[in-house]
Amino acid sequence: QSALTQPRSVSGSPGQSVTISCTGTSSDVGGYNYVSWYQQHPNKAPKLMVYDVSERPSGVPDRFSGSKSGNTASLTISGLQAEDEADYYCCSYAGTDSYVFGTGARVTVL
Amino acid sequence: QVQLQQWGEGLLKPSETLSLTCGIFGGSFRDYHWSWIRQPPGQGLEWIGEISPRGDTKYNPSLRGRVTISIDTSTNQFSLKLSSVTAADTAVYYCASQKGYYMDVWGKGTTVTVSS
Repeated sequence: QSALTQPRSVSGSPGQSVTISCTGTSSDVGGYNYVSWYQQHPNKAPKLMVYDVSERPSGVPDRFSGSKSGNTASLTISGLQAEDEADYYCCSYAGTDSYVFGTGARVTVL
Repeated sequence: QVQLQQWGEGLLKPSETLSLTCGIFGGSFRDYHWSWIRQPPGQGLEWIGEISPRGDTKYNPSLRGRVTISIDTSTNQFSLKLSSVTAADTAVYYCASQKGYYMDVWGKGTTVTVSS
């Protein structure tokens, strides 16, 4: 069970949009609509931002949106703000009652 | 909304057993499944396993054989035990509520260091 592949870093200026990819296989990302995304600020616990590919929990700004195509899921942050600077992890159900996380991507606001 | 408070021994020697507990506040153990996740220093997240309100468990295959997750319905707590620890088990350990196929609410994390 290998970790899902994410870019190490993504950056953008305030107000711009950035997209973080999360690539897996047909056994995880491609096989189920159960991809979730988590935001983690330094020395803090992760926070759920998107679940079931594109659903947003209450309280999460609509600037955060998720999608999936084939074996790759994506998280897009529109109207980038300073507080969005953090690490982002994707996670997918991987069948056989297990889950796999992504390698993590650092978002930098320039 | 449910809140999770976790505690346990933070410093272990190789071959000892890691033991952590997570208390469920503002909700019942019946409401969700319950998970453990860990994060080695400077690295990404790793799913350890989960337990249902009935006590059914699922574990990461890479840890199967060393990990046990249990639930105490009388105290609204669930626990993690990881046996025969090595330095590779040094990490921040998080408990979380498992709602559907995602981790909804997370504990603050407990740092566990394995060192001789």
